[in-house]
Amino acid sequence: GIQVEQSPPDLILQEGANSTLRCNFSDSVNNLQWFHQNPWGQLINLFYIPSGTKQNGRLSATTVATERYSLLYISSSQTTDSGVYFCAVSGGSNYKLTFGKGTLLTVNP
Amino acid sequence: DTGVSQDPRHKITKRGQNVTFRCDPISEHNRLYWYRQTLGQGPEFLTYFQNEAQLEKSRLLSDRFSAERPKGSFSTLEIQRTEQGDSAMYLCASSIGGTGPGYTFGSGTRLTVV
Repeated sequence: GIQVEQSPPDLILQEGANSTLRCNFSDSVNNLQWFHQNPWGQLINLFYIPSGTKQNGRLSATTVATERYSLLYISSSQTTDSGVYFCAVSGGSNYKLTFGKGTLLTVNP
Repeated sequence: DTGVSQDPRHKITKRGQNVTFRCDPISEHNRLYWYRQTLGQGPEFLTYFQNEAQLEKSRLLSDRFSAERPKGSFSTLEIQRTEQGDSAMYLCASSIGGTGPGYTFGSGTRLTVV
């Protein structure tokens, strides 16, 4: 199956700083999503981005499918951005997702 | 549209007991997925339904696990003879077909087996 690696595993920032999270995957995909898991366990869908670039407020994401990686950018970070960020991909017709281990982001005031 | 609902939010059970979880997907979503997440890991796929048909099961889903989706609406996940290793967060998600943007997760059921 597809392997997904995320880096860094942990990231600590001061409020207002920018950050880049990376997701590498081992095979071609037809679905790539970034999720934010809040402290209560809820997974929030941030981006559906199997290729190209998208922006939503302070967040943006880029996927270079030919090189099998995706980047999530967080600008002007806020304490509410804290949590675990997951990259998840699928390559089959059933769209079942394979998740990476996540990046634990802590934003300090 | 109230999102994907899961019940209960938390369940503590004694080893050997049976437990059942429920998931109510977004009403117009025909696909429903179950995932399991253990501490420090990303969610792992367990099974999925298209309407009422269960189309794929992970090898993680041992014989003690069974899932149903009668009439293509809500789904239940039952674990028989629970073991301590079953302790995890059980997440349900739904989508329209396989479209990525519509993939919505519920808040999960946290199971603790003591």
